[in-house]
Amino acid sequence: NAGVMQNPRHLVRRRGQEARLRCSPMKGHSHVYWYRQLPEEGLKFMVYLQKENIIDESGMPKERFSAEFPKEGPSILRIQQVVRGDSAAYFCASSPRLPPSGAAILYEQYFGPGTRLTVT
Amino acid sequence: RKEVEQDPGPFNVPEGATVAFNCTYSNSASQSFFWYRQDCRKEPKLLMSVYSSGNEDGRFTAQLNRASQYISLLIRDSKLSDSATYLCVVLTGGGNKLTFGTGTQLKVEL
Repeated sequence: NAGVMQNPRHLVRRRGQEARLRCSPMKGHSHVYWYRQLPEEGLKFMVYLQKENIIDESGMPKERFSAEFPKEGPSILRIQQVVRGDSAAYFCASSPRLPPSGAAILYEQYFGPGTRLTVT
Repeated sequence: RKEVEQDPGPFNVPEGATVAFNCTYSNSASQSFFWYRQDCRKEPKLLMSVYSSGNEDGRFTAQLNRASQYISLLIRDSKLSDSATYLCVVLTGGGNKLTFGTGTQLKVEL
């Protein structure tokens, strides 16, 4: 039973290029979350998606960043015109998610290995 | 004030020691609580959920005090393999997002 998969694991881009990060959730999970971890900092929430819907993008920078989770295929985090400050580890997580009356265990999120983006 | 606060450490302890980590959170509407561990340059891995009544999983015990907005993790009989950063994590935003503390670093030594 494969866990959360992310690719590429390492990505190098020059300033001004586009970066595309992909995430496939665990089998049976329909909710995807993206987090960013800057060097020497904690993980910060970016966006929460379900299939074909962005549910919460309160952590996304207003410009250059977008995310999608199409009906078929992986979730994509896209960063346009990358800058050096975008260099970070980007982690995707997934959860099965059930109605609010569920127990805490139903909200557990499982993380992929991350994509380490380096902007030169 | 940070939403989730932890002592960054590092905690350097000998093998076999008992060590406790504390965490406070600021949002009283937080719904669920977790401890994750993160090894250097790897993804966070769920260690355990934290229930109101407290819960134990082998050598690990987690406690929650909602009135004080305080979470703890106790590790007994520390192993070398327990060396990692321990992340206190709170579920907020209507159950949408995890808010992470910056982590407490543990180093277990011979």
